[in-house]
Amino acid sequence: EDQVTQSPEALRLQEGESSSLNCSYTVSGLRGLFWYRQDPGKGPEFLFTLYSAGEEKEKERLKATLTKKESFLHITAPKPEDSATYLCAVQAVRQTGANNLFFGTGTRLTVIP
Amino acid sequence: DTGVSQDPRHKITKRGQNVTFRCDPISEHNRLYWYRQTLGQGPEFLTYFQNEAQLEKSRLLSDRFSAERPKGSFSTLEIQRTEQGDSAMYLCASSLGATTEAFFGQGTRLTVV
Repeated sequence: EDQVTQSPEALRLQEGESSSLNCSYTVSGLRGLFWYRQDPGKGPEFLFTLYSAGEEKEKERLKATLTKKESFLHITAPKPEDSATYLCAVQAVRQTGANNLFFGTGTRLTVIP
Repeated sequence: DTGVSQDPRHKITKRGQNVTFRCDPISEHNRLYWYRQTLGQGPEFLTYFQNEAQLEKSRLLSDRFSAERPKGSFSTLEIQRTEQGDSAMYLCASSLGATTEAFFGQGTRLTVV
């Protein structure tokens, strides 16, 4: 059965203090790993898709990496506006063709000015 | 605005009443998904459509839940005889094909009193 574990559950950083969020996953056949950002009361906002081990993607202060067992979201010199919950999700290869996402519970990031 | 649109944004209903939510996906997207999210959890998959065909339903989708996408455009999710346990954020997402990222709407927050 698909499993996604995110750590830590919550993270408080000073503005400018870089850190990493972890997403460990177990899936029968990985089609893709997705990172989303979610602000309170809003829907998830797409950040990155990673398809194969060794792949990296960057967007502003965020960089996502992927291995065969986990993904990291690195945040460099964060700003208060980066405060949000970051969700990791896996998409498995299925015989039915379904491509629904299986989400972790997220890491709640707070960046203090 | 060409994103995924959901209506209403908030719904308060009494236990036992029926409710219906609407989702308008990004216009060229042929796949549409419904997810449910409770506080502190990641979104959980409920069902998905490819064009007008409902191709997969989660075990979470009890007999009281029904979803339609009559012309392959907008979709509705109906919950009959609501229970307090149905209180959650209901999220709709759409994608173009099986391997592209899914974009989420802002969600409908349901409160059953």
